[in-house]
Amino acid sequence: KQEVTQIPAALSVPEGENLVLNCSFTDSAIYNLQWFRQDPGKGLTSLLLIQSSQREQTSGRLNASLDKSSGRSTLYIAASQPGDSATYLCAVSAGGYQKVTFGTGTKLQVIP
Amino acid sequence: NAGVTQTPKFQVLKTGQSMTLQCAQDMNHEYMSWYRQDPGMGLRLIHYSVGAGITDQGEVPNGYNVSRSTTEDFPLRLLSAAPSQTSVYFCASRPATLQETQYFGPGTRLLVL
Repeated sequence: KQEVTQIPAALSVPEGENLVLNCSFTDSAIYNLQWFRQDPGKGLTSLLLIQSSQREQTSGRLNASLDKSSGRSTLYIAASQPGDSATYLCAVSAGGYQKVTFGTGTKLQVIP
Repeated sequence: NAGVTQTPKFQVLKTGQSMTLQCAQDMNHEYMSWYRQDPGMGLRLIHYSVGAGITDQGEVPNGYNVSRSTTEDFPLRLLSAAPSQTSVYFCASRPATLQETQYFGPGTRLLVL
């Protein structure tokens, strides 16, 4: 059974700092990995989607990497801003449609 | 496009009551799913559908029913609500290809007393 772990569970950083969020998964036979953002009381918004054949994806200040062999992904946020405060979730797709397993998330607070 | 919409936003039920959570999408996506989100548990898949008339169970299907009569709509039915079903429910949709991301609705917060 696929298990997805995100460490740390919570993170507080001063504005402007570069930071890394971690995601690990137990079964490396994945189709893709996604990073989502969730604001309090809201749904999930997709940030980056990395296919199993890719090593990384970038969008603005965000960069996500994928190392299938080690079962790890990182989300790098450059020059963090208070507006980045949210919970960040990673999810892996494996074993056919909708075998999507979510991590429990990292709650990020960026302090002005 | 409105994307994925869910109603109601919040609902309080008594144990044993039934209700239907509504989900609709206007992106002509083949695939739709229902998740529940509980503290410390992440999102867990309840039921999913790969097209009109086709549904299947996810990780935690007990106590829930679904049907998919149209591409746009995917309602989730609670047959006899239990306190353990207190949760936030999210509906999601995406195109058929695995290379596409999922789009999530804003969620329905359900409290069962």
